[in-house]
Amino acid sequence: QVQLVQSGAEVKKPGASVKISCKTSGYTFTTDSINWVRQAPGQGLEWMGWIGTYKGDTIYAESLQGRITLTRDTFTKTAYLELRSLTSDDTAIYFCARDRGIATPGLDYWGQGTLVSVSS
Amino acid sequence: DIQMTQSPSSVSASVGDRVTITCRASQGINYWVAWYQQKPGKAPKLIISGATNLQSGVPSRFSGSGSGTHFTLTIRSLQPEDVATYYCQQANSFLRGTFGQGTRLEIK
Repeated sequence: QVQLVQSGAEVKKPGASVKISCKTSGYTFTTDSINWVRQAPGQGLEWMGWIGTYKGDTIYAESLQGRITLTRDTFTKTAYLELRSLTSDDTAIYFCARDRGIATPGLDYWGQGTLVSVSS
Repeated sequence: DIQMTQSPSSVSASVGDRVTITCRASQGINYWVAWYQQKPGKAPKLIISGATNLQSGVPSRFSGSGSGTHFTLTIRSLQPEDVATYYCQQANSFLRGTFGQGTRLEIK
């Protein structure tokens, strides 16, 4: 069965960086892409970025350009999100999700979420 | 970027009612819309893909329609377990995947 398992909660100070992993299983990793989405406390969903797992190409939200990097490791079938220069506004739950593109427009499987808390 | 404007922001309805949530895209996106249901403390769940395709296991009282810039999610006969927040999303993988602001659905 398809699974996306994310790394554990993180506590960071302002100005620091965080790197979250999303380990996949149950499907061919390089066939489908990965999106990252975050949700601040009590707020809606914010799309952060997309990575094509075959070539490693990326698309980032304009609001995060320059602070975000998405990467993937095709051998371990794991996707990564790195966010730099953290502020309290980055406190949120971060989700990875599978994107099947034309086959199923939408994000059909999600990780369990990773809480990132940014506080001095 | 394509903006997704979702309405209403909240709705309260009775069990058995028909509920409609609307999403408008700032430019035409063909059928590239997905709808999600999110319950508190959980990851979002894809319920409609490609504007109209009901995902496996999702009750048939849910349906999606629309194309271009105007999309709707309809719940034909509201059930207590449908209480959740619903989001639309621009789902073209080659564009930024903007979400709507969300619609909080409650039971009267």
